[in-house]
Amino acid sequence: DGGITQSPKYLFRKEGQNVTLSCEQNLNHDAMYWYRQDPGQGLRLIYYSQIVNDFQKGDIAEGYSVSREKKESFPLTVTSAQKNPTAFYLCASSKGTEGNEQFFGPGTRLTVL
Amino acid sequence: GQSLEQPSEVTAVEGAIVQINCTYQTSGFYGLSWYQQHDGGAPTFLSYNALDGLEETGRFSSFLSRSDSYGYLLLQELQMKDSASYFCAVRTGNTGKLIFGQGTTLQVKP
Repeated sequence: DGGITQSPKYLFRKEGQNVTLSCEQNLNHDAMYWYRQDPGQGLRLIYYSQIVNDFQKGDIAEGYSVSREKKESFPLTVTSAQKNPTAFYLCASSKGTEGNEQFFGPGTRLTVL
Repeated sequence: GQSLEQPSEVTAVEGAIVQINCTYQTSGFYGLSWYQQHDGGAPTFLSYNALDGLEETGRFSSFLSRSDSYGYLLLQELQMKDSASYFCAVRTGNTGKLIFGQGTTLQVKP
């Protein structure tokens, strides 16, 4: 079955540590996205990539970094510079770069202690 | 600034019809999307409107008025499984960059 996988589902880290969240898709989609969701809030775009080896900052990129070395993979690193990293992180992909219909992974809930 | 406004909560009974409104103020507009998210789950795509008018997909319909910067999601024949959060999102450019509203929690009662 095609889809998007994110692992792990729950992640705990100590303050000051960098952590990398994985996102893999086997849908052969061109574009991939990372969103952050805080309790009771909408999604906010962190980074997006329309093509391999290229990515763009979203609305809240500070304290995060990404790479897109392969079409199917778009890992997100939450660095120690991110002031409030505890959140639900969602990865998405879309067939075209217009992103009209985005498919989401199950998410990773990150808690920084 | 850029903002999307939608009601925070809506309650309806099983079998009824409910409308969730979304008004937006954004620097660019290419289209309005709707996503459903069950508690703790992943959002799932419901609809996308780029042009004015009503789009129907089964029990769900979505409407857009670009001149009024307004859209709505209409859910008919409500079922208990429709209890979820519903988000409107504006595509602001020729990429997939979306700005999401805060979400509307729909509670369907028996």
